[in-house]
Amino acid sequence: GAGVSQSPRYKVAKRGQDVALRCDPISGHVSLFWYQQALGQGPEFLTYFQNEAQLDKSGLPSDRFFAERPEGSVSTLKIQRTQQEDSAVYLCASSLAGGQFKNIQYFGAGTRLSVL
Amino acid sequence: KQEVTQIPAALSVPEGENLVLNCSFTDSAIYNLQWFRQDPGKGLTSLLLIQSSQREQTSGRLNASLDKSSGRSTLYIAASQPGDSATYLCAVNDYKLSFGAGTTVTVRA
Repeated sequence: GAGVSQSPRYKVAKRGQDVALRCDPISGHVSLFWYQQALGQGPEFLTYFQNEAQLDKSGLPSDRFFAERPEGSVSTLKIQRTQQEDSAVYLCASSLAGGQFKNIQYFGAGTRLSVL
Repeated sequence: KQEVTQIPAALSVPEGENLVLNCSFTDSAIYNLQWFRQDPGKGLTSLLLIQSSQREQTSGRLNASLDKSSGRSTLYIAASQPGDSATYLCAVNDYKLSFGAGTTVTVRA
């Protein structure tokens, strides 16, 4: 696609529900990142994939958070047993691994998660 | 761990005044630094990207400088307009992005 696509744009969940957020990166982009942006804060790194390999998950706040990218393209961020503190905007970004434009991350519009 | 600080947290200026937004970071081993704009409830819009080998980057009324040795970047916006009102975020890239908390700018007509 032309840009990074995220779905759904908005998600309301009851506390304790599981949610799944989808990211479709720019075609051909090897690297994929997830960030969490709480209200009034800058985005914070969650996890990083290179192709299907999850190379860094140091930013995931708890073991309720799980991300996967099984075929090296679309990625899903799953949050189990959601809590109110999980309410945030979840941003996905992708980038090329090499060439002139490597290390430039292109962002999707984000998914706004509200946990009631 | 990379720490990114943006000063001031908020800024209010009359239309036409120049804006100066500051960003500092603790680890100079970066690939690039990027300035973003974020409108309320919206996603990130990339404004300028400065590669680690560059000293500055310009786009229209926007100019960003980078001093890696001192861990600082400054975003200048010339002749501000009410449409410039937004939150401005800087982010340093050492393969993942580390963001500051942002500077919220209000330009009064």
